Amino acid sequence: NAGVTQTPKFQVLKTGQSMTLQCAQDMNHNSMYWYRQDPGMGLRLIYYSASEGTTDKGEVPNGYNVSRLNKREFSLRLESAAPSQTSVYFCASSPTAVPGLAYPGTQYFGPGTRLLVL
Amino acid sequence: DAKTTQPNSMESNEEEPVHLPCNHSTISGTDYIHWYRQLPSQGPEYVIHGLTSNVNNRMASLAIAEDRKSSTLILHRATLRDAAVYYCILRDYDGYALNFGKGTSLLVTP
Repeated sequence: NAGVTQTPKFQVLKTGQSMTLQCAQDMNHNSMYWYRQDPGMGLRLIYYSASEGTTDKGEVPNGYNVSRLNKREFSLRLESAAPSQTSVYFCASSPTAVPGLAYPGTQYFGPGTRLLVL
Repeated sequence: DAKTTQPNSMESNEEEPVHLPCNHSTISGTDYIHWYRQLPSQGPEYVIHGLTSNVNNRMASLAIAEDRKSSTLILHRATLRDAAVYYCILRDYDGYALNFGKGTSLLVTP
């Protein structure tokens, strides 16, 4: 049981290049999330997928796109990387996330992808 | 959105108890209080959560004030491995995001 896995671990891009960050979970969770963490800051939500087939914007979605490929996989794409997107990206999953419920469920995080955009 | 306030940093000696405070004066009646921690160069990990009553698990205890406007995460015997940033989080209004602030950086010294 690997939990949440992310690839790659590190990446260096030039401004304007594109790339896709991959995330997979083997816990049969319905909901998945992408966060970014800038130095000395807490995590901020980029996009989330409450269930397979749905995606929604979080706090900082500009410059990103996502795809919920299946129940296990949730990818994050940078179409044209900018230096402001230099950050550590974390993927997470949780058993359920249903509007109106007080308890959205524990989120389980991957190890992160460190991205540097020059 | 209900917000939390935590000290920027705290320090503890190894094998001593640690009490990490969190203020959340605007908490709503249905907000759960979550604690996550982030070890250096790792993703956050769940520690504990509660609603009204005090909670215990193998990692820590959570003490919640009667008016729910504050809570305290208690590590009973700090180890060097407990050095991390601890985040006190209330459920975000839409029920999806965990609203991470800056957390409390805990330093544990031998």
